Amino acid sequence: GAVVSQHPSRVICKSGTSVKIECRSLDFQATTMFWYRQFPKQSLMLMATSNEGSKATYEQGVEKDKFLINHASLTLSTLTVTSAHPEDSSFYICSASQPFRTQYFGPGTRLLVL
Amino acid sequence: DAKTTQPNSMESNEEEPVHLPCNHSTISGTDYIHWYRQLPSQGPEYVIHGLTSNVNNRMASLAIAEDRKSSTLILHRATLRDAAVYYCILRDEGETSGSRLTFGEGTQLTVNP
Repeated sequence: GAVVSQHPSRVICKSGTSVKIECRSLDFQATTMFWYRQFPKQSLMLMATSNEGSKATYEQGVEKDKFLINHASLTLSTLTVTSAHPEDSSFYICSASQPFRTQYFGPGTRLLVL
Repeated sequence: DAKTTQPNSMESNEEEPVHLPCNHSTISGTDYIHWYRQLPSQGPEYVIHGLTSNVNNRMASLAIAEDRKSSTLILHRATLRDAAVYYCILRDEGETSGSRLTFGEGTQLTVNP
């Protein structure tokens, strides 16, 4: 299957700082990328959908000014958690897709906000 | 999105077949049935998908009921590495852009040595 990478794999930051997570599709051009969040013992929750070159579409309850998404190229999307707080600690997972094709997931980024 | 229903957990013994059921009684004509699995602390991994006919690949087989209201993921010989949460998801392939996946709670598969 296709390969999607995320960087960093884990990050620890202080409360109030911003953290950027990168998602790359390594062997295909992803017209659409998705960002999910997963809390312990829970399922994945979709945060936003981003199409290359356009603004992301956020799910209800997800603050777009707090979770900034940029999808500037067909192989890279970034999620920036601004002014992170302990409640933002979670497992963030991206996925990449082309129309009518299988969606492939990255390995996830574990964020811990102290 | 049409919903799916899966058992919370299942157990299997190593090297035995595993049949993971999924009910999707409100499936629409353009919904494909996708299966993903998630190992601890990893992103979901694509397993298999199908529309109407049964499907086989190197990882698993997918058996789809004739009325499409249920399906079964079959692991032919379970290994300890197959222990994961298995998600059955319906995805509307009628959309032209990459369509979203809505994850339910999935089935936690435990494989006993």
